[in-house]
Amino acid sequence: GQSLEQPSEVTAVEGAIVQINCTYQTSGFYGLSWYQQHDGGAPTFLSYNALDGLEETGRFSSFLSRSDSYGYLLLQELQMKDSASYFCAVHNQAGTALIFGKGTTLSVSS
Amino acid sequence: NAGVTQTPKFQVLKTGQSMTLQCAQDMNHEYMSWYRQDPGMGLRLIHYSVGAGITDQGEVPNGYNVSRSTTEDFPLRLLSAAPSQTSVYFCASRGKPNEQFFGPGTRLTVL
Repeated sequence: GQSLEQPSEVTAVEGAIVQINCTYQTSGFYGLSWYQQHDGGAPTFLSYNALDGLEETGRFSSFLSRSDSYGYLLLQELQMKDSASYFCAVHNQAGTALIFGKGTTLSVSS
Repeated sequence: NAGVTQTPKFQVLKTGQSMTLQCAQDMNHEYMSWYRQDPGMGLRLIHYSVGAGITDQGEVPNGYNVSRSTTEDFPLRLLSAAPSQTSVYFCASRGKPNEQFFGPGTRLTVL
């Protein structure tokens, strides 16, 4: 089956850079996704990596190493509004649904 | 586009009652899923569908039924509610393989 491991909590200050790691085990790999969820809200899509390397979208970047079954989300120039939970996700074996990690709660302080 | 909609937003049930959580999407997506979210447990997949008439079990399917008679609708039925089903339920749909859209959630309490 599929399993994902990510840290439960990360803290940082405004303006800093933070990296949230994710390691996964999956019997069929289609890509690694990242989602953001603010308290009381629904998860929203951030990024997707199907190939090795770094994908950059504004202040957020996501990295994948398929040989290491590892990826990370990099958040730069942190702002208070980045305080949220971040989830990594992989597809199930058939590629028909997403399986999520337990999430990392990021707290940004001033 | 309204995206993914869910009703109701809040619901309180007594143990043993049944109910249906509604989910609809207007993006013509083939893939739809139901998740439950509990503190510290992340999002756990309950059931999913790859198109009208096709459903399958996820990680935690017990106590739930689904059907997919149309592309737009994907209701989740609780057959006999239990306190362990107290949770926040999210419906999601996916067109492209790499972006999933979530509904606003249903907060369910079972007494």
